[in-house]
Amino acid sequence: SQQGEEDPQALSIQEGENATMNCSYKTSINNLQWYRQNSGRGLVHLILIRSNEREKHSGRLRVTLDTSKKSSSLLITASRAADTASYFCASISSGSARQLTFGSGTQLTVLP
Amino acid sequence: NAGVTQTPKFRVLKTGQSMTLLCAQDMNHEYMYWYRQDPGMGLRLIHYSVGEGTTAKGEVPDGYNVSRLKKQNFLLGLESAAPSQTSVYFCASSIDSRSGNTIYFGEGSWLTVV
Repeated sequence: SQQGEEDPQALSIQEGENATMNCSYKTSINNLQWYRQNSGRGLVHLILIRSNEREKHSGRLRVTLDTSKKSSSLLITASRAADTASYFCASISSGSARQLTFGSGTQLTVLP
Repeated sequence: NAGVTQTPKFRVLKTGQSMTLLCAQDMNHEYMYWYRQDPGMGLRLIHYSVGEGTTAKGEVPDGYNVSRLKKQNFLLGLESAAPSQTSVYFCASSIDSRSGNTIYFGEGSWLTVV
């Protein structure tokens, strides 16, 4: 069974708006990572947040982690059409550091 | 810098045929992985390797075999392909498994079994 589940499954916004995607996971984690996948391409690493961190920023990306709720969110500010892609959260559980487990992803569409 | 390269990119197989997907990385990474991606399912780990000569089962290993004879290569084999193995396959690599290491993905291999 998958460790992470993203919400919503699909999100459509206008260019310039902010996009928020949520991820829930089931077991204790070492860290949680967010990846991006353009259509027909491989996954690209965006940002990693460790279990002892609550918030992290990278450019227009902001990630939060709430270990008490076993959830994380990815915020993309001032979205651009080029941000259109699928976004996946992935986690390495505390008990199995060798396996990165992915959620089912959020399909983000940014309309110009 | 090529990163992670997968071949072939597209393949159509008949049920019962066998084939091998090749993954090569030029980053001297210890860890390599094979995932499959199906609609609405995210990525699921098939097999992985923690170093040359080692392999281990992931979440969905049945119907697949792997080999890591050389550090830079990780092969995924289907001995008798089934329609349920129609999927997009991604190879990935990382320096090791320690927390914080980024995983680098190949561009994917689209496999259709008819």
